This record gives sequence, structure tokens and C-alpha cells, in this order.
Amino acid sequence: DGGITQSPKYLFRKEGQNVTLSCEQNLNHDAMYWYRQDPGQGLRLIYYSQIVNDFQKGDIAEGYSVSREKKESFPLTVTSAQKNPTAFYLCASTPDSGDTQYFGPGTRLTVL
Amino acid sequence: AQSVTQLDSQVPVFEEAPVELRCNYSSSVSVYLFWYVQYPNQGLQLLLKYLSGSTLVKGINGFEAEFNKSQTSFHLRKPSVHISDTAEYFCAVSDIADQFYFGTGTSLTVIP
Repeated sequence: DGGITQSPKYLFRKEGQNVTLSCEQNLNHDAMYWYRQDPGQGLRLIYYSQIVNDFQKGDIAEGYSVSREKKESFPLTVTSAQKNPTAFYLCASTPDSGDTQYFGPGTRLTVL
Repeated sequence: AQSVTQLDSQVPVFEEAPVELRCNYSSSVSVYLFWYVQYPNQGLQLLLKYLSGSTLVKGINGFEAEFNKSQTSFHLRKPSVHISDTAEYFCAVSDIADQFYFGTGTSLTVIP
């Protein structure tokens, strides 16, 4: 089955530690996105990548980093510089036509 | 940049009653319009989308939406809701730059 996978579903980390969230897609989509979701605030764009080895900052990139070494993979690192990292993180991708965004199941990160 | 307004943050409705979730967007230039549904601790699932053509769009689970260009609206409707429709609903807009903009969501609660 084609789709987007995110792992793990739940992640716990101590304050001050970096953590990397995985996002993999086998849909052959060029563009991939990372969003952060907090209650009552909808989705906020962290980073996006339209081609391999290239990515752009979204609205709330501070404290986050990404890489795009392969078309299928777009991992997100939450660094210790992110002041309030506890949130639900969603990965998405779009096909070449760019007319629809498809989402993974999400990762809930809790920083203790 | 676009902005998307979902006018109601919470909508309670009795089972088998009709429901309308409202969505307005900011720009009158050509856009694509979407409604997504999110169940607790899951990713977003596409309900329906408007790209072009007929202004009345039918989606999954009996939902439909109508594109109104003059009012820049894309309201979601269902004639008879079921308990299983209880979820968060997001309206989204995509512009010619393939950027996606999301509303803050409407929490639909179906009351038995």
C-alpha cells in the first residue's frame, strides 16, 4: 500500500535533548512538509522541501532542522533550542500536480 | 499569503440532524479548496476538494461542499450526521504557488 509513515507514534524526551522524527513516503511525491499542531491553533508550517537536497523554512522554523537526502525521506530534528517542543507533528506530501496534500498519521512528542 | 477562517470553533449537533461547517478564505485569485477530517491522535484525511468545474463537490462519508467565489466561501454540509462524524474538521486553501493554508479547525460533536 502506498502512503506516508511516521515513526514513532508517541515519543518522550527529556528537556535539552535533540530528537529526530521520521517521515517516509512511497508515493513518489516530490514535495514534503512538516507541520506542528497545537490545540486550537490549527496547523503551522515548520519546513518544506520541493526537491531532493533543497528545503525552505516555514512560519515556525526556529529550533527545528530538516534534511532531504532521498526523495522518500524527510526527517525532522527538534533541537534543544525549541522552547516549547511538546506538540503533535504531522508530515505531508504532494504529487507533482500539487493539487492535494496527503498526511501521515502523526507523531506526538512530549518533552518532560 | 492566503488566510482561512473557520467561523465556528465548536459545533454540537444532535444525531441525524443536518450540519454546516463554515469556511471563508481571503483571496479571490484562483485557488484550490479542501476539507480534511481528523480523528483523535491521527493524521488528516481528505474529505473532498474543489479544483475546478461544478461548484458543488461531493466527498466521502456523505459530506458535500459548495464553492462560492463571490463570497469566497467553501462551506461543508451533511444532511444527517452520525455519531462517527465526531471529529475535528479543517478547511484548507492552496494557491498557485502550491502553498497550503489551513484554518484553525472546527470540532464537531454529535450528540446521541
